[in-house]
Amino acid sequence: AQKITQTQPGMFVQEKEAVTLDCTYDTSDPSYGLFWYKQPSSGEMIFLIYQGSYDQQNATEGRYSLNFQKARKSANLVISASQLGDSAMYFCAMREGQGGGFKTIFGAGTRLFVKA
Amino acid sequence: DAGVIQSPRHEVTEMGQEVTLRCKPISGHNSLFWYRQTMMRGLELLIYFNNNVPIDDSGMPEDRFSAKMPNASFSTLKIQPSEPRDSAVYFCASSTPQGTEAFFGQGTRLTVV
Repeated sequence: AQKITQTQPGMFVQEKEAVTLDCTYDTSDPSYGLFWYKQPSSGEMIFLIYQGSYDQQNATEGRYSLNFQKARKSANLVISASQLGDSAMYFCAMREGQGGGFKTIFGAGTRLFVKA
Repeated sequence: DAGVIQSPRHEVTEMGQEVTLRCKPISGHNSLFWYRQTMMRGLELLIYFNNNVPIDDSGMPEDRFSAKMPNASFSTLKIQPSEPRDSAVYFCASSTPQGTEAFFGQGTRLTVV
């Protein structure tokens, strides 16, 4: 069965510093995808970044990068140069299988607080 | 593209009433997911469709919940009869065929009193 674990319920970071949000996953399927989402206090779910299990390079999108360590089954999100607007809940998600038509489940989330 | 569109944004209903939540996925996306978010249980996958066909509804909590996708541009999630414990935010999400992007609607906040 799929499983996603986010062990940090809450994290603090100083503005302009980098922060790493942890995510580990468990799957026996060799083909899977990993996602990160941001949920600000307004409630919407914002797609940040995607990593496929066969991707050789770590995914990057602007200030977001995904530190993908396949052997350790970890997919940590790194936010560089934190901004006050980065304060939000962050969710890691996993989809088993190639393509869009597969089950995608979410971790419990990490609440990030950015301090001025 | 307007993104995934859900309606209504907010719904307050009395226990026992039927509730219908609606979702319009992004054009060209062939997978659609319904999630429920609560403080206690987080984000739960209720059901998902691929090419309008329900693939896995094992997350639907009870027979009171049902979902349909009559065509590629519309899906509904129905709760009949509703109960106070159904109060939650219900999200719809759609995904590209490649599965490299999945976008959420704004959610429907349901309150059953």
